[in-house]
Amino acid sequence: RKEVEQDPGPFNVPEGATVAFNCTYSNSASQSFFWYRQDCRKEPKLLMSVYSSGNEDGRFTAQLNRASQYISLLIRDSKLSDSATYLCVVFLYNFNKFYFGSGTKLNVKP
Amino acid sequence: DADVTQTPRNRITKTGKRIMLECSQTKGHDRMYWYRQDPGLGLRLIYYSFDVKDINKGEISDGYSVSRQAQAKFSLSLESAIPNQTALYFCATSDLRPGGGDTDTQYFGPGTRLTVL
Repeated sequence: RKEVEQDPGPFNVPEGATVAFNCTYSNSASQSFFWYRQDCRKEPKLLMSVYSSGNEDGRFTAQLNRASQYISLLIRDSKLSDSATYLCVVFLYNFNKFYFGSGTKLNVKP
Repeated sequence: DADVTQTPRNRITKTGKRIMLECSQTKGHDRMYWYRQDPGLGLRLIYYSFDVKDINKGEISDGYSVSRQAQAKFSLSLESAIPNQTALYFCATSDLRPGGGDTDTQYFGPGTRLTVL
């Protein structure tokens, strides 16, 4: 079983739409959570960390549900430039390792 | 200038050849990582190093070796390349604080696209 699972998509949405991605993780000892963005053939870059109380950064909102072991990312008012693959990442302190989901692809269309 | 650099950026080689991928960082981080990325499989950890004297195998270390020449340099070698090692390889750094406090993020290099024929 993978440590982190994501729906691969693609999610095809029109500009201005709201879209949400979920990610589940298997290890309840997971301690830190992140969303990364990866453009085609480029390196992953941190989009935002995910905090227990939920957090927002502009059009992006991240939520963590420890009881159900899932993380979500909500993007409001989608822009063409949001088209990318979004990676869910968890960190297990006990193993000192980051675990990556395989990514969810988003296509925002005019 | 980029904080994490990788060389070469692209490489085509033949089966059986020895290949070295290099990674350098100016972030001053102790922790460095090598990942490979294949379509549909996400990033998989090959090796990681918490400091110059501490090197650990990741989930897919077979067929690879590493060298941590200095805090800033971490090289990945394929001793005898095979076609299923064709992938996109990323180096990353992080600066985890011991004691379970804040965790930092990972910073990635631009990647090396390796093709083994």
